[in-house]
Amino acid sequence: GENVEQHPSTLSVQEGDSAVIKCTYSDSASNYFPWYKQELGKRPQLIIDIRSNVGEKKDQRIAVTLNKTAKHFSLHITETQPEDSAVYFCAASLATTSSALEPAPSMNSGYSTLTFGKGTMLLVSP
Amino acid sequence: GAVVSQHPSRVICKSGTSVKIECRSLDFQATTMFWYRQFPKQSLMLMATSNEGSKATYEQGVEKDKFLINHASLTLSTLTVTSAHPEDSSFYICSAREGAISEAFFGQGTRLTVV
Repeated sequence: GENVEQHPSTLSVQEGDSAVIKCTYSDSASNYFPWYKQELGKRPQLIIDIRSNVGEKKDQRIAVTLNKTAKHFSLHITETQPEDSAVYFCAASLATTSSALEPAPSMNSGYSTLTFGKGTMLLVSP
Repeated sequence: GAVVSQHPSRVICKSGTSVKIECRSLDFQATTMFWYRQFPKQSLMLMATSNEGSKATYEQGVEKDKFLINHASLTLSTLTVTSAHPEDSSFYICSAREGAISEAFFGQGTRLTVV
């Protein structure tokens, strides 16, 4: 099955600095890569995702890059703020659908998996 | 975003008893549901994946007879921890997604304590 490695396990930065978290995956068929943020005592929440047909996606201070050849993807947070402090999880998803270009979720798209990395605890100091 | 409701949020049970945890998608049809176990300050360990109407696929090392998963409808999946023991004490969390390549939404988790 899929194996997702995530580094670093902990990351401490000063407010305003950038933070980068890297993940690698093992199954070249994986085609969807979400990033989740989990604050203490709360459920994980999606912050950004990328599909295998694009190499980069940005949403304000957050960006994700994907290198399919090398099978790695990274999360970039710029101008970090104390409220960015949380545990961040990357994940890789493999689906039986043949295309990653679907514009909308498919109701009957067969089997899918969602494998998470071990998480990175990000601490942003004021 | 979509809402996934997990119940109960906390449960304490005696060793040897069984506990059922429910995971419901409230405003979408979850074709796939995932069950995870999370230890303190650790990652989400996938226990099993279930697609509606079919048997759950368990990860290696997860006992299917101990952790019974039922995904009987497009909005409900249940995890039953049978003959619970103290080592089963953990935080169990489900997630659900509507399509294969779409966001997975998480329930709020269940803190299970076996005494």
